[in-house]
Amino acid sequence: EAGVTQFPSHSVIEKGQTVTLRCDPISGHDNLYWYRRVMGKEIKFLLHFVKESKQDESGMPNNRFLAERTGGTYSTLKVQPAELEDSGVYFCASSHSMTSGRGYEQFFGPGTRLTVL
Amino acid sequence: LAKTTQPISMDSYEGQEVNITCSHNNIATNDYITWYQQFPSQGPRFIIQGYKTKVTNEVASLFIPADRKSSTLSLPRVSLSDTAVYYCLVGLSGAGSYQLTFGKGTKLSVIP
Repeated sequence: EAGVTQFPSHSVIEKGQTVTLRCDPISGHDNLYWYRRVMGKEIKFLLHFVKESKQDESGMPNNRFLAERTGGTYSTLKVQPAELEDSGVYFCASSHSMTSGRGYEQFFGPGTRLTVL
Repeated sequence: LAKTTQPISMDSYEGQEVNITCSHNNIATNDYITWYQQFPSQGPRFIIQGYKTKVTNEVASLFIPADRKSSTLSLPRVSLSDTAVYYCLVGLSGAGSYQLTFGKGTKLSVIP
């Protein structure tokens, strides 16, 4: 089966611009997560979708970040307006439903590298 | 969430067995121990998960002592392709959100 895919692989924008990152999870995975690693730091959780609903968005840094998962399939993460400190690698992951007994294993995409100049 | 401590880096020759130990003194009763592997320019990849004693799969073994305050990931006969960063995570207590908490990880370098 195809893995988690993310688009674009790299985005370079100027401060103040808007960028939208896309994640396509593994087909059939109810759970979708966003993480990011800013330069020199650990990978940090941003938010978790169960199907189209936000289960946990405790990691979202501020209201410049908006995540959606309309229809419960792919997800987008919009940063508007982008700031310099938003630069980093944004990872998406997906997993089976928790009730399946296999929800603990998250499958990560390759990440989107965001550079804000 | 329990904090983990693991070596910053390790070097190993090809063909050797590599053991990476992780300390998690404040692990909760419901917490599991999970290891992920990350290659450069890729996302992390699940390796193994355990709760207590020993777990083995086709890739690695995970040893967890009775007090569960530490765990050891064992990679048998490593090859150059095992060069990666290995993360030890604790949590996933089934509270509804399975967010992963990553530390700095251990950078394993396998040399010929």
